[in-house]
Amino acid sequence: EAGVTQFPSHSVIEKGQTVTLRCDPISGHDNLYWYRRVMGKEIKFLLHFVKESKQDESGMPNNRFLAERTGGTYSTLKVQPAELEDSGVYFCASSQAVGGQGPYEQYFGPGTRLTVT
Amino acid sequence: GNSVTQMEGPVTLSEEAFLTINCTYTATGYPSLFWYVQYPGEGLQLLLKATKADDKGSNKGFEATYRKETTSFHLEKGSVQVSDSAVYFCALSDRDGTSYGKLTFGQGTILTVHP
Repeated sequence: EAGVTQFPSHSVIEKGQTVTLRCDPISGHDNLYWYRRVMGKEIKFLLHFVKESKQDESGMPNNRFLAERTGGTYSTLKVQPAELEDSGVYFCASSQAVGGQGPYEQYFGPGTRLTVT
Repeated sequence: GNSVTQMEGPVTLSEEAFLTINCTYTATGYPSLFWYVQYPGEGLQLLLKATKADDKGSNKGFEATYRKETTSFHLEKGSVQVSDSAVYFCALSDRDGTSYGKLTFGQGTILTVHP
């Protein structure tokens, strides 16, 4: 079974440009999470999808970030326009169906390293 | 809000040395606690977990005990190997049914083990 995949693995863009990160969760996982780690600090939660719906987007830093999850499958995270402070590693994770006691184990992708110059 | 504090690294050890990485937390309820590990070039992997007080999580020779009285979840291993070199993250997840498994992480501790 394939794990969580993320694309690209590394992106270097200039301030003011747009970047779109993609995450493909494990097949059948309803929960999809985005996290970000900036400059060796703690990994911080950005948002959570249940299928195609945003369950919790309390961690999104501002309206320059837009996340979507098409048909409850893969997800994209767009940053427009990118700023220097957006640099970091963006992780995606997925876990199985909602319901029950949980918490269900989250399976992480390798991350996308975003560098804004 | 919730928070997790890990001992600052990096930690450098010789092979077969004893490892302790301290982790303390602040949470409003009774969270589940986790240790994740990130090997070079890979994503985070769940190393072990504990879901209630006094539970001991263990895996690959690593152990951590959920201590509610000290709000701690320290990671230990009796004899480290070079292959244990990685970044270790302590994390918690609320169990109040409203956060749906959202994880709160510590800063991460870089462990390097020399032969």
